[in-house]
Amino acid sequence: DAGVIQSPRHEVTEMGQEVTLRCKPISGHNSLFWYRQTMMRGLELLIYFNNNVPIDDSGMPEDRFSAKMPNASFSTLKIQPSEPRDSAVYFCASTHRNEKLFFGSGTQLSVL
Amino acid sequence: QQQVKQSPQSLIVQKGGISIINCAYENTAFDYFPWYQQFPGKGPALLIAIRPDVSEKKEGRFTISFNKSAKQFSLHIMDSQPGDSATYFCAASIRGSARQLTFGSGTQLTVLP
Repeated sequence: DAGVIQSPRHEVTEMGQEVTLRCKPISGHNSLFWYRQTMMRGLELLIYFNNNVPIDDSGMPEDRFSAKMPNASFSTLKIQPSEPRDSAVYFCASTHRNEKLFFGSGTQLSVL
Repeated sequence: QQQVKQSPQSLIVQKGGISIINCAYENTAFDYFPWYQQFPGKGPALLIAIRPDVSEKKEGRFTISFNKSAKQFSLHIMDSQPGDSATYFCAASIRGSARQLTFGSGTQLTVLP
């Protein structure tokens, strides 16, 4: 299995631009999570889906952030408009049976 | 009450030494305590986990010690190796649910050759 696949690995954009991060979970996993990692705040859960349905988005910082999961093999996290304080590493993770989390390698986002 | 406090923030150990990372929690509803290991440029990966019905769990050189009354748990890395250099996160959840994982702030471990 290729594991959780995220793209792009690195994204550099200018303030105000739209950013879309992509994630392909491990086949057969029914829960998907988006995390943000920063030095100041550590690992923060933004949103998670179960069976493609958003269950808890209380960690999404602002309305500028949105996430979708149109099918079991694909999810996106969108930031529009982006701001410099959104600069972070964004991780996608998936799980089956809701215990062990499998993380992707992350997307390093820099908003200038 | 959902916090998990982790210490130290960074740790430097000589090759062959013992690395010890500590975590403390407040929420007594937590019943699953995993440790994740993260190498630079990679996502965290589950290393070892414990449930509160045991006081210790060992997997190779890695041991979790759990003190339910003190609401503390720790990771011990015996015979530390340079390849163990990584960031380690403790975490806790309720009913073993990944949905409710609360992560500690992380410990950057450096093992000197």
